Amino acid sequence: AQSVTQLGSHVSVSEGALVLLRCNYSSSVPPYLFWYVQYPNQGLQLLLKYTTGATLVKGINGFEAEFKKSETSFHLTKPSAHMSDAAEYFCAVSGGAGGSYIPTFGRGTSLIVHP
Amino acid sequence: DVKVTQSSRYLVKRTGEKVFLECVQDMDHENMFWYRQDPGLGLRLIYFSYDVKMKEKGDIPEGYSVSREKKERFSLILESASTNQTSMYLCASTPTDGSNQPQHFGDGTRLSIL
Repeated sequence: AQSVTQLGSHVSVSEGALVLLRCNYSSSVPPYLFWYVQYPNQGLQLLLKYTTGATLVKGINGFEAEFKKSETSFHLTKPSAHMSDAAEYFCAVSGGAGGSYIPTFGRGTSLIVHP
Repeated sequence: DVKVTQSSRYLVKRTGEKVFLECVQDMDHENMFWYRQDPGLGLRLIYFSYDVKMKEKGDIPEGYSVSREKKERFSLILESASTNQTSMYLCASTPTDGSNQPQHFGDGTRLSIL
């Protein structure tokens, strides 16, 4: 079975600073990779996804993520944090070795943005 | 855009009651899922369904059942609600062969069992 690790249950940044949210997965065969965002009292919405092709993926709201096979990582970044980025972020994987179409989610990282 | 609608945003019920949570999607997706979300635990899969009248247990099915009589509707049933079932419940859907497809989520139902 696959596993997904998100380092840091909380990440705190200042407005305008770089955002880096970490995600590592366990599959030896590249899976499909997703980042979702959840604003308070809402469901999850897709930020970006990697399926095949270019390893640097751009998403909504200025976020991007890079698939690094050698590091089994899919970290999420944004050059300059905005107050409206404060939310919970989830990394998810599906497919790949030991995987299925049912995604495995990380435990989430809460992004806190200070003025 | 896919729309997944959960019938209630907030629900308060009493211990021992039978509770129904409803979810409807409008994009003809074959796969539907129920998760519960608790702080620090992320999303945990309760049940999923890949077709009408078909269902599979997820990671934490105990105390729950599901019903899928129509393709667009997937219901979660708490047979006898208990306080440890107080949680946020999320419904999601994907099309067939969905491993490279993102899940589409409803806004969630925050359920409190008193």
